[in-house]
Amino acid sequence: SAVISQKPSRDICQRGTSLTIQCQVDSQVTMMFWYRQQPGQSLTLIATANQGSEATYESGFVIDKFPISRPNLTFSTLTVSNMSPEDSSIYLCSVEDQTSGGAFSSYNEQFFGPGTRLTVL
Amino acid sequence: RKEVEQDPGPFNVPEGATVAFNCTYSNSASQSFFWYRQDCRKEPKLLMSVYSSGNEDGRFTAQLNRASQYISLLIRDSKLSDSATYLCVVAYTGRRALTFGSGTRLQVQP
Repeated sequence: SAVISQKPSRDICQRGTSLTIQCQVDSQVTMMFWYRQQPGQSLTLIATANQGSEATYESGFVIDKFPISRPNLTFSTLTVSNMSPEDSSIYLCSVEDQTSGGAFSSYNEQFFGPGTRLTVL
Repeated sequence: RKEVEQDPGPFNVPEGATVAFNCTYSNSASQSFFWYRQDCRKEPKLLMSVYSSGNEDGRFTAQLNRASQYISLLIRDSKLSDSATYLCVVAYTGRRALTFGSGTRLQVQP
């Protein structure tokens, strides 16, 4: 199983500033995903990040607001730019396990980082 | 309409009870199905995959009905440690990212 760490674990930021969240994986992975979980809500995919190419953003999320870097196969960053209180959320990165896989499923287990809890004042 | 819908609960059940959660999905291109568990203030973790033939893992049984686009999770002999939010998760054909339901909260009481 993949072990994922995120930094920072939490932060309180002022409106209009930016925060960069780091995600480190203990093994090389092809795809990394960034999700957002707003208070009391489920996870919403922000973007998919592949090494060596631009991230693919979901509807409602744009690169100017959430720039992503993926410099190698074990690391990614997500920046939350020009923050507003509506950006207060937990941000999680995840990876798909490259080694496991059920006999009947072509999808492997996804592992999540512990999340970054962001509060914007 | 949400792509993956779940009853948010909470389900409050006594220890030893059997409890069932349901989930419906709207996209017929859905290919794979999972139940994830999320403890309070923790990240989601895979509980079990859901196979077309149905599958069981100890006290947990998952069922899939593709015709009705319906997924279920049955927990038998509930334990206090089962208290968590259970997320119904769908993967669509050609897309590696997952789509999450809003989750069903379970509270098992002594």
